[in-house]
Amino acid sequence: DIVLTQSPVLAVSLGQRATISCRASQSVSISSINLMHWYQQKPGQQPKLLIYRASNLASGIPARFSGSGSGTDFTLTIDPVQADDIAAYYCQQSRESPFTFGSGTKLEIK
Amino acid sequence: QVQLQQSGAELAKPGSSVKISCKASGYTFTSYAMHWIKQTTGQALEWTGYIAPGSGGTKYNEKFKGKATLTVDKSSSTAYMQLSSLTPVDTAVYYCARSTFNYGSYYFDYWGQGVMVTVSS
Repeated sequence: DIVLTQSPVLAVSLGQRATISCRASQSVSISSINLMHWYQQKPGQQPKLLIYRASNLASGIPARFSGSGSGTDFTLTIDPVQADDIAAYYCQQSRESPFTFGSGTKLEIK
Repeated sequence: QVQLQQSGAELAKPGSSVKISCKASGYTFTSYAMHWIKQTTGQALEWTGYIAPGSGGTKYNEKFKGKATLTVDKSSSTAYMQLSSLTPVDTAVYYCARSTFNYGSYYFDYWGQGVMVTVSS
């Protein structure tokens, strides 16, 4: 299975940039298509799709969210961070079955 | 609007089975795959498998073969997951979520609200 590694916690100040990383145990890209996706989950809620195929903003998601990366290294950026962004963020790969998720990064305010 | 409405919380005894549901609305049920995802209290997310509602074809995470059985009722646009031979390790929130069928597009754009399954004697 493809293992996705995320840092457990990231602390940032409001109005600053947050950079959340996800590293895959093997490449999740095929022919320049990057099969990595990002979700936000607030306490007591279901996950919400933020970014699909590494850099595409999902419908209704604010433009302060962006994604980048290829191969094994991917990044979710939130700029600027707002109070409403306090949540856990998960990456997920669809390169191969079983589709796997990272363990999540909790975004905290400094 | 797209909605995935899941059934209520379940309390089950070890060794028993539960069947949870996910009723879809706001889109053509047979045009999207329905996936099931497990989330433990430690927050880890695990993909259990998906079903193609039109054909009933399934694909499982090997880890959940024999544990989870996915079915659908096309007449009511409802997907089901049965969990068998329950143990405390099966205690978790279970989400349904949809995706397209295109390779590379197995990401989940809509999720149900989740069902808490608790296994306890």
